Amino acid sequence: KAGVTQTPRYLIKTRGQQVTLSCSPISGHRSVSWYQQTPGQGLQFLFEYFSETQRNKGNFPGRFSGRQFSNSRSEMNVSTLELGDSALYLCASSSLGPGSVDTEAFFGQGTRLTVV
Amino acid sequence: AQSVTQLDSQVPVFEEAPVELRCNYSSSVSVYLFWYVQYPNQGLQLLLKYLSGSTLVKGINGFEAEFNKSQTSFHLRKPSVHISDTAEYFCAGDTGRRALTFGSGTRLQVQP
Repeated sequence: KAGVTQTPRYLIKTRGQQVTLSCSPISGHRSVSWYQQTPGQGLQFLFEYFSETQRNKGNFPGRFSGRQFSNSRSEMNVSTLELGDSALYLCASSSLGPGSVDTEAFFGQGTRLTVV
Repeated sequence: AQSVTQLDSQVPVFEEAPVELRCNYSSSVSVYLFWYVQYPNQGLQLLLKYLSGSTLVKGINGFEAEFNKSQTSFHLRKPSVHISDTAEYFCAGDTGRRALTFGSGTRLQVQP
């Protein structure tokens, strides 16, 4: 069974540009969450999608957005990139829906975004 | 709001020695607790989780943790560490919203 796949693994962008990151969850998983990991702020929750609906959102500006497709694949978009957006972006998928935590969240290897 | 505090940023330990990584949480609602491990340039792997029931939770790779409600703690332990356990460990909580709140991480450095 394939794991969570995130593409690309590495990305370099210029300030002001926008970027789209992709996450393919484990087959059968309908919940996809996104996290930002930086040395200064640690791991922070961005948002969670289930069946194409955003269920939860973290405390990030509107420049950060996401979506989920009918096949559960998810994309995250960051517009007007800032230097502080440089981070490892992690995606996690799980099989159960909201309100249930009795399942494991499987993480991808992440996309390392560098903004120059 | 929920918060998770990992009291040690780095823990050096010799191989085959026991280790404890400390985690405290604060929450006004029921909480689910997790320990994750992250190896260099990798994502996170779940070590163990506490949802309810027995307060002593056993996980993979010989790790275990004890949920202590009165002390609001969820410390991770291993009786004998190996070089391969060198990694960063994260304690995390979830109030049921499927949004993990992570601690700042503890870097475990196992020395020969």
